[in-house]
Amino acid sequence: AQKITQTQPGMFVQEKEAVTLDCTYDTSDPSYGLFWYKQPSSGEMIFLIYQGSYDQQNATEGRYSLNFQKARKSANLVISASQLGDSAMYFCAMREGLDSSYKLIFGSGTRLLVRP
Amino acid sequence: NAGVTQTPKFRVLKTGQSMTLLCAQDMNHEYMYWYRQDPGMGLRLIHYSVGEGTTAKGEVPDGYNVSRLKKQNFLLGLESAAPSQTSVYFCASSRRPGQAWDHPQHFGDGTRLSIL
Repeated sequence: AQKITQTQPGMFVQEKEAVTLDCTYDTSDPSYGLFWYKQPSSGEMIFLIYQGSYDQQNATEGRYSLNFQKARKSANLVISASQLGDSAMYFCAMREGLDSSYKLIFGSGTRLLVRP
Repeated sequence: NAGVTQTPKFRVLKTGQSMTLLCAQDMNHEYMYWYRQDPGMGLRLIHYSVGEGTTAKGEVPDGYNVSRLKKQNFLLGLESAAPSQTSVYFCASSRRPGQAWDHPQHFGDGTRLSIL
């Protein structure tokens, strides 16, 4: 079974509107972290936001927020007031506490296109 | 402010040739990782290292070798390149997560490798 599932291969959003990118995860580890990365067309991986499994509040970083629903095992990224520069691939990733490598497990990504 | 530097950025090889990808980080990070990214997929872990002189296999290690002789460098080798190894390769580093669980992995800009 996939540990990170991103069901939206591609999405469009109008400039200045908000958009939600879906991410569901699967783990039996009680301690884990969820990360979102942005990959623009230039190819680099840019860290956006983090949510810990024990965090009581949803994470926020500027225009990015994470809608964390632990019981549903979902960690959706919300981008408010979309900008043209937000057009990129977005990856959800998980780090599990019992995994001594602390590797990131990635989803397949969502390509977001912001329309002017 | 270099962060994680990958060399080279692009390379074309013929089947059977060998090469080494170099990753260097200047953040004094303990952990280093090599991932590959294929179209339509997220990043998959090839090998990783939790400290100088240590390496371990990830999810897709076959056909690759690694070495971490110095803390700041992590080398990925292809002994006999195959077309299936055509991919974009990313190196990443992070602090030991036990010190800062929310510490993200920092990525290099990637190496685009084509095997003909």
